[in-house]
Amino acid sequence: DAGVIQSPRHEVTEMGQEVTLRCKPISGHNSLFWYRQTMMRGLELLIYFNNNVPIDDSGMPEDRFSAKMPNASFSTLKIQPSEPRDSAVYFCASSLVTGAPRTNEKLFFGSGTQLSVL
Amino acid sequence: AQTVTQSQPEMSVQEAETVTLSCTYDTSESNYYLFWYKQPPSRQMILVIRQEAYKQQNATENRFSVNFQKAAKSFSLKISDSQLGDTAMYFCAFMKLRDDKIIFGKGTRLHILP
Repeated sequence: DAGVIQSPRHEVTEMGQEVTLRCKPISGHNSLFWYRQTMMRGLELLIYFNNNVPIDDSGMPEDRFSAKMPNASFSTLKIQPSEPRDSAVYFCASSLVTGAPRTNEKLFFGSGTQLSVL
Repeated sequence: AQTVTQSQPEMSVQEAETVTLSCTYDTSESNYYLFWYKQPPSRQMILVIRQEAYKQQNATENRFSVNFQKAAKSFSLKISDSQLGDTAMYFCAFMKLRDDKIIFGKGTRLHILP
């Protein structure tokens, strides 16, 4: 398996531009997570999906951020318009949540997208 | 809401020494999972060790072991015989049972010195 695939690996853009980050989860996984990593705040959970449905988006910082999961093999995180304070590493992760009680035993992370907003 | 606190932003130790990274958490749950993840300079996130709160025995994985103190809500990671390849950011993380999301601390940057 190729693992969780994120693109692009690096993104440099100017303030005000739209940015779209992409993620392909591991085939067969039913949960997908978007995290943001900064020096000040560490790893923050932005949003997660289960079976393509958004379950918890309480971590999304502002209306400028939106995420979609149109099918089980693809998700996007969009920032519009982007601001310098959005500069961070954005990680996508997927997992297989099973059982009763539900158990998320292990997150598999992508290699992240380093976003720089100038 | 659950919180995870790592009080040591950065640490340095000599190669072959033993080092302990601290983690405390706050929850009203009785059943949950705790994790330590390693992030080397490559940015890859690697699961180091996992502990179920209902198990009293501390988890171990080769040179990595934890000291899980449930009453104190403490979950420290001990790295024995540290190696240069252990240089990384280490994140402590928490997950409620019957939940899907994992909450991370801010991390501890560990430097292993030759």
